[in-house]
Amino acid sequence: DQQVKQNSPSLSVQEGRISILNCDYTNSMFDYFLWYKKYPAEGPTFLISISSIKDKNEDGRFTVFLNKSAKHLSLHIVPSQPGDSAVYFCAAKRLYQGGSEKLVFGKGTKLTVNP
Amino acid sequence: AAGVIQSPRHLIKEKRETATLKCYPIPRHDTVYWYQQGPGQDPQFLISFYEKMQSDKGSIPDRFSAQQFSDYHSELNMSSLELGDSALYFCASSLTSGENNEQFFGPGTRLTVL
Repeated sequence: DQQVKQNSPSLSVQEGRISILNCDYTNSMFDYFLWYKKYPAEGPTFLISISSIKDKNEDGRFTVFLNKSAKHLSLHIVPSQPGDSAVYFCAAKRLYQGGSEKLVFGKGTKLTVNP
Repeated sequence: AAGVIQSPRHLIKEKRETATLKCYPIPRHDTVYWYQQGPGQDPQFLISFYEKMQSDKGSIPDRFSAQQFSDYHSELNMSSLELGDSALYFCASSLTSGENNEQFFGPGTRLTVL
């Protein structure tokens, strides 16, 4: 049972345009949602996150929007740059006081930004 | 800045052999996570350790075991390897304090079982 879903395996955009990556989840108990970026032969790198009590978080060119009622979040990259080309993973977690906060990942979306 | 170190980066084993994967977390991080990513799949949580004690367990086969040592490095031991164990194995570490304790991932160990 896939609790975090990224239904688009790939996305291609032109440099300078907006990239929108989507993610849906089924578990309403998640406290935090995160986006990770992964280049080939490297581990995932944290990009941006959002608490379940917020609906927007912005960091430079990256903005994450959360729609709790729809159990949907999206990552906006504006403007897109060729260096943004990578696989983007949506992930979710529940918060604990110490101990484990395992991440539940989606299958990833491969973003290609064309010059 | 120091990152999460994993060794080896690549490992080739035969079926029914054993493998040991090592993870060295970022200094002062108290939590280590292991994830398995099969071809075309999402990373799946295997097991985690907090202050050297197992804190959570996911979809980890009984053939696998792991531990965290006094210096906080962790090892994932895999026995009776099967073809389906071929995957990327990621280790991540975090400092469990505050609300958004980000997990930092290592580069992964690519295990190929022949």
